[in-house]
Amino acid sequence: EVQLVESGGGLVQPGRSLRLSCAASGFTFDDYAMHWVRQAPGKGLEWVSGINWNSGYIGYADSVKGRFTISRDNAKNSLYLQMNSLRTDDTALYYCVKATGYGSGSDLDYWGQGTLVTVFS
Amino acid sequence: DIQMTQSPSSLSASVGDRVTITCRASQGIRNDLGWYQQKPGKAPKRLIYAASSLQSGVPSRFSGSGSGTEFTLTISSLQPEDFATYYCLQHNTYPFTFGPGTKVDIK
Repeated sequence: EVQLVESGGGLVQPGRSLRLSCAASGFTFDDYAMHWVRQAPGKGLEWVSGINWNSGYIGYADSVKGRFTISRDNAKNSLYLQMNSLRTDDTALYYCVKATGYGSGSDLDYWGQGTLVTVFS
Repeated sequence: DIQMTQSPSSLSASVGDRVTITCRASQGIRNDLGWYQQKPGKAPKRLIYAASSLQSGVPSRFSGSGSGTEFTLTISSLQPEDFATYYCLQHNTYPFTFGPGTKVDIK
C-alpha cells in the first residue's frame, strides 16, 4: 500500500524558513517523479513543485520560484521542500503527491494527508 | 504558463441528475489532463487520467472526454457520495496547473 507521510509544518513568521519532508513507502520510490501541491484555507489546489526520478528535471510554480527548493533522497525514500523567505500567502496545507511515472509529464495519483504551514506576522 | 478554466464554478443538483463539468486549457495539452474529487477535510482523489481513462475502483458513472484544449467530466447519475469539489489538472508542461474547481452540492 502506497503511503506518503508529510512532516515539518508549523507556525513561522514572515521571512523565515521551513523544511518539509515526505516519507514514502509501499512503492519503489526512485521509479517515480514526485510533487508538492498546496491548498490555502478555503481555497483551491495549487501545484507548487515537481521533481523527476533522478532529480534531473525540476519545476516550480511562479509564486514560489526562487524561494522554494524541492529535492529528494532516493536512498531514504524521502522528498523535501525547503521553503525560504516565507510570506503570509504561503499559509496552506502542503501535500506530498506521487506521480504515475518517472518523468516530468506524468500525472499525480497518490496523495499524502498534508502538513499545515502557517505564516503569521 | 498554461491557464486552466473550469465551468461552472459551482452547481446544485439532485440525486440521479446528469452533471457535466468543463475544463479549458489556454493552449493545447494533448490528453495530459486528470480529474480529481475532493471532499471536505480529505486529500484529493484521482477519478480520471489521460482525459478519458477511469481510475481503477472509481464507479463507471464517472467519465471523461476531450483532447487539446477542451475537456469534460460527466457524472451520469449523481449519487449522495458525489457531492464534493472537482478539479482538473494539466500535466503537459511545467508549471502544472489546476483548474479553480467546481463545487457540486445538493439542490
